[in-house]
Amino acid sequence: QQPVQSPQAVILREGEDAVINCSSSKALYSVHWYRQKHGEAPVFLMILLKGGEQKGHEKISASFNEKKQQSSLYLTASQLSYSGTYFCGTETNFGNEKLTFGTGTRLTIIP
Amino acid sequence: SAVISQKPSRDICQRGTSLTIQCQVDSQVTMMFWYRQQPGQSLTLIATANQGSEATYESGFVIDKFPISRPNLTFSTLTVSNMSPEDSSIYLCSGREGGTDTQYFGPGTRLTVL
Repeated sequence: QQPVQSPQAVILREGEDAVINCSSSKALYSVHWYRQKHGEAPVFLMILLKGGEQKGHEKISASFNEKKQQSSLYLTASQLSYSGTYFCGTETNFGNEKLTFGTGTRLTIIP
Repeated sequence: SAVISQKPSRDICQRGTSLTIQCQVDSQVTMMFWYRQQPGQSLTLIATANQGSEATYESGFVIDKFPISRPNLTFSTLTVSNMSPEDSSIYLCSGREGGTDTQYFGPGTRLTVL
């Protein structure tokens, strides 16, 4: 079942913060985050495996809730280069190894 | 990190013909996958390419329409057979690194069927 992302689209000014959510109806094994710019391949950002985990760095980080049904991607002090469509890819079972991608969030950063 | 190349990068084909897309990974990956992406949409998994054996297809995709080969760890092909305009899409090859579980994507093949 496809995970649902919210919001569908967001427009920010440079320097503003954004939060992108990825929700699943059942517990997940892992969540992978990607950014895709128009006409390009998705680029891997990070993977979360453990409930309650938070990882990343000051500018781009992500969390995975305790129940492992929701993950959030945090973009802080956004830059023009952050523009693109963000996808979460979810893995439902250990060893399954195939990702089901979320509905996507289009992020536009304006000067 | 794995670097994945695909060819062709784009093609325009006539209805009823077939196109084979090639995917090459620069390092060994444990898993290879083929995805389809309509412009502005999410990625849909077509199949998992298994080395030396038949691919594993997702619901809605069949081997007769999308035959896949993976003769070794770093190379795979996807054929789109008997094409119709509904097959117009971007086809993406992906490889998963063992150990890191990181999945990388090729640049995609943009297919237009007339």
